Amino acid sequence: QSVLTQPPSVSAAPGQKVTISCSGSSSNIGNNFVSWYQQLPGTAPKLLIHANDKRPSGIPDRFSGSKSGTSATLGIDGLQTGDEADYYCGTWDSSLNAAVFGGGTKLTVL
Amino acid sequence: EVQLVQSGAEVKKPGESLRISCMASGYRFTSYWINWVRQVPGKGLEWMGKIDPSDSSTSYSPSLQGHVTISADKSISSAYLQWSNMQASDTAVYFCARRGNPLDYWGQGTLVTVSS
Repeated sequence: QSVLTQPPSVSAAPGQKVTISCSGSSSNIGNNFVSWYQQLPGTAPKLLIHANDKRPSGIPDRFSGSKSGTSATLGIDGLQTGDEADYYCGTWDSSLNAAVFGGGTKLTVL
Repeated sequence: EVQLVQSGAEVKKPGESLRISCMASGYRFTSYWINWVRQVPGKGLEWMGKIDPSDSSTSYSPSLQGHVTISADKSISSAYLQWSNMQASDTAVYFCARRGNPLDYWGQGTLVTVSS
């Protein structure tokens, strides 16, 4: 059971937009920055979004992040087949004194 | 270019010990924490702990403390994850990752298989 809650899967057609939610509590998302990671099959996770809504250099602006209260959302616009991957939210939990992740969301581009 | 290069896959028997490594390059090794993250095949990510390479201070996940040891050697820009008594439940891919929140650069992963 993960500390952060994500939907197990989402799907959408190429060119469409999809959002992935991440729900937590005041000890994690509510008082810390949220990051999002993309894990393509058989590879290491890659940082997509940090500090709730910031994109690292090289990440296309099709990827966006937002946070409100104890929830965060990843948006992916203009879906491509190459976006098929597992997506994880992550943050620090001040009560557990540990980094925590969501259970991951598998994106299928139909 | 920042790179974290991990040691190769390992196969161990229950009760054996193991140390895997993560070699950093492309930045000042002592400037950022190194974290270890576990992923059981087909499952999600689990943070295990971190080390500050500048002074080797560590922080562990409450659920894992005592079962693994994280260390670093700043003279060769390397961090380590070590077990003294491996169990079948330790079978997983282990990633090292730089910094903290966020984990901005990741190693390629080391598959560890524990089987009798």
